[in-house]
Amino acid sequence: AQSVTQLGSHVSVSEGALVLLRCNYSSSVPPYLFWYVQYPNQGLQLLLKYTSAATLVKGINGFEAEFKKSETSFHLTKPSAHMSDAAEYFCAVSVTDFGNEKLTFGTGTRLTIIP
Amino acid sequence: EAGVTQFPSHSVIEKGQTVTLRCDPISGHDNLYWYRRVMGKEIKFLLHFVKESKQDESGMPNNRFLAERTGGTYSTLKVQPAELEDSGVYFCASSHRIKGAVGYTFGSGTRLTVV
Repeated sequence: AQSVTQLGSHVSVSEGALVLLRCNYSSSVPPYLFWYVQYPNQGLQLLLKYTSAATLVKGINGFEAEFKKSETSFHLTKPSAHMSDAAEYFCAVSVTDFGNEKLTFGTGTRLTIIP
Repeated sequence: EAGVTQFPSHSVIEKGQTVTLRCDPISGHDNLYWYRRVMGKEIKFLLHFVKESKQDESGMPNNRFLAERTGGTYSTLKVQPAELEDSGVYFCASSHRIKGAVGYTFGSGTRLTVV
């Protein structure tokens, strides 16, 4: 079974400051890891994904995440926050077994950007 | 290409009534998934179709929920009779057969409110 823990249901950062959203996972098999973003009144949009290639993954809108197996972490970062980054962010894990591709999500982190 | 389409976008019904949610996946995507987010909690897997067959329905909460995907195209999720705890946002996602979770595209969701 897999699980995801997102530390901090709400995170506030100043515009221009570093964004760090934390995600730890548990999986009995090699995982695929994902970050999704949900802007107000919109659906879930994929930010980036780790699929066992490079451990540092770059996504859209300047976000990146690093897979650290020893720490079972997949934290999301962005060097400089922009007002448009205000949204809810979800970390998710999936197993690599073909035919069993359901996602297990964390509880989400709402990011607020302070002008 | 057109994305995953869900309708209605919002639905407000009274306890005991019936509601049917619809999802139109991306054309050619054999995989179709339903997820649900109850207020303040994590997004949870409900079920997975491969074409018209239910591959995994382990997340369906109870027998008041019925999902169908006749002909392997669009899917419906019926809740009958609806209870207050069924309120939440219902997401649909689709992916190509060989891509699984790494190729998910989510719809914008249906916000269901049971009063």
